[in-house]
Amino acid sequence: GENVEQHPSTLSVQEGDSAVIKCTYSDSASNYFPWYKQELGKRPQLIIDIRSNVGEKKDQRIAVTLNKTAKHFSLHITETQPEDSAVYFCAASSPPDTNAGKSTFGDGTTLTVKP
Amino acid sequence: GAVVSQHPSWVICKSGTSVKIECRSLDFQATTMFWYRQFPKQSLMLMATSNEGSKATYEQGVEKDKFLINHASLTLSTLTVTSAHPEDSSFYICSAESLGKETQYFGPGTRLLVL
Repeated sequence: GENVEQHPSTLSVQEGDSAVIKCTYSDSASNYFPWYKQELGKRPQLIIDIRSNVGEKKDQRIAVTLNKTAKHFSLHITETQPEDSAVYFCAASSPPDTNAGKSTFGDGTTLTVKP
Repeated sequence: GAVVSQHPSWVICKSGTSVKIECRSLDFQATTMFWYRQFPKQSLMLMATSNEGSKATYEQGVEKDKFLINHASLTLSTLTVTSAHPEDSSFYICSAESLGKETQYFGPGTRLLVL
């Protein structure tokens, strides 16, 4: 089955700095890679996603890059703000018509942005 | 759009009782729903995949007779924790996706405490 590794487990940055979280996956059939932000006691919220036919995607201060050959993808947050503090999860998903389209999640990264 | 609700948000029960948790997609048809369990400061652990009108597919190590899943309609899936014990105390989160779409939308979670 799919195995997703996420690093680092904790990340502390100063407000205004950039934050990078990296994930690797094992199953070459995975073709969809979402990133979720989870605040304490709340539901995971999709913040950005990328499909395997795209190498990079950007949405304001958030960007995701994907290297299919190396099987790794990264989340980049620029100009971090205290409200970016949360746990971030990456995931790798197989196509909906295979393996029920289920996602395998990384272990999460606790991001702390210091004012 | 893509709102998922979950009920109840929290429940406290005595050991040996059964608890039912409902997951509803409010504005879309969820052909597939997923049930996760999350321990404090840990990742989302997939318990089972539920497809409308068919039996749920359980992950390895998850007892299907302990965690009964029913997906009777395109907007509702239920998880029943039977004969709950203190070790079943956890945060249970559902997610839903529509046919052919990879994005999962999460419910707000149910915090279960078994005394």
